[in-house]
Amino acid sequence: RKEVEQDPGPFNVPEGATVAFNCTYSNSASQSFFWYRQDCRKEPKLLMSVYSSGNEDGRFTAQLNRASQYISLLIRDSKLSDSATYLCVVSPYGLIFGTGTRLQVFP
Amino acid sequence: GAGVSQSPSNKVTEKGKDVELRCDPISGHTALYWYRQSLGQGLEFLIYFQGNSAPDKSGLPSDRFSAERTGGSVSTLTIQRTQQEDSAVYLCASSLLAGVDTQYFGPGTRLTVL
Repeated sequence: RKEVEQDPGPFNVPEGATVAFNCTYSNSASQSFFWYRQDCRKEPKLLMSVYSSGNEDGRFTAQLNRASQYISLLIRDSKLSDSATYLCVVSPYGLIFGTGTRLQVFP
Repeated sequence: GAGVSQSPSNKVTEKGKDVELRCDPISGHTALYWYRQSLGQGLEFLIYFQGNSAPDKSGLPSDRFSAERTGGSVSTLTIQRTQQEDSAVYLCASSLLAGVDTQYFGPGTRLTVL
């Protein structure tokens, strides 16, 4: 079983749609959780950290459920520029990445 | 300020040769990480340093891989007797402290082994 599992997608959604990504992790000792965004042939960039109480950053909302070892990312009002691969990441020390979920937003 | 830098940006080598990849972390960051991303694959964690020490080397794919960090700053990842399956983008990241702080990634070194 992979340490971090994500649906690879792709998710093809129209502009303005709301889309949700889910992720599960196996290491219950993980302390830190993140969503990273990776554009094609570029390095990953931090999108947002994920806190136990849930957190929001503009159109992006992240949730963490430690009991179920489950992380989610909700994107509201999708933009064309949101098209990318979204990586679920957990960290005891080095980051353990999921394989990513590809999002394609179309006009 | 300056971000994480890596060199070279691209490296093409012949099978069996040794290669050395360099990472300059953000100034003041005590933790440094190496990852590998193979074509069509996810990111694979290789090793991390807290200061100059690497507490866990089990992520390195084989004994042909080694990494060191000196002076709590620059790190080198060395691959000996390269194989074609070593072809990948090697990414370096740094953070203030290991594990709890945001990691900032360098642009990567694209290694191609012919």
